[in-house]
Amino acid sequence: DVKVTQSSRYLVKRTGEKVFLECVQDMDHENMFWYRQDPGLGLRLIYFSYDVKMKEKGDIPEGYSVSREKKERFSLILESASTNQTSMYLCASQDRGRSDYGYTFGSGTRLTVV
Amino acid sequence: GNSVTQMEGPVTLSEEAFLTINCTYTATGYPSLFWYVQYPGEGLQLLLKATKADDKGSNKGFEATYRKETTSFHLEKGSVQVSDSAVYFCVLLNTGFQKLVFGTGTRLLVSP
Repeated sequence: DVKVTQSSRYLVKRTGEKVFLECVQDMDHENMFWYRQDPGLGLRLIYFSYDVKMKEKGDIPEGYSVSREKKERFSLILESASTNQTSMYLCASQDRGRSDYGYTFGSGTRLTVV
Repeated sequence: GNSVTQMEGPVTLSEEAFLTINCTYTATGYPSLFWYVQYPGEGLQLLLKATKADDKGSNKGFEATYRKETTSFHLEKGSVQVSDSAVYFCVLLNTGFQKLVFGTGTRLLVSP
């Protein structure tokens, strides 16, 4: 079975901390994505990557950065965490050649910034 | 631009009731359409999909038909179960952009 693994299910961090959210996929997919999910707002795209060392801003990139040094790993970085970044974060991957299959999602990381 | 509109929830039903969750979309070109489901505390799972007009996607008793003339992709199930309680997302993929466009989600609550 294909898999997208997010390293933590729950995280609690303090305001101002640098936070790393890790995502690993075992499907050799080219495309990877980071979303945040908030009640009433649905899923919003933060960043995505079409290949190693490539990244593109999504709809809400402010306050975030990403890193993709290897094909299977896509990291989301909160440079200085703030309380308004408390949210559920979802990682996803996609086979670029099979867009009709949609995305495969991880189980999510619920981040609380205090 | 591309957008998806789905009915607001929560939708509250008794077990074995008929379910419809409405979804309409706006898109350029010929998008693929999906329904994803999110069970409590979980990530999103693909429920069903349709890649061209008049296609019907189906899975686990759920169905949705891609209607180009009404730009709709309504989700239906003839008899819901308590285990179907979840949030359902209608999603569009315009293949030229490779990015999913999500509706805001509809929470379904099924009581015994």
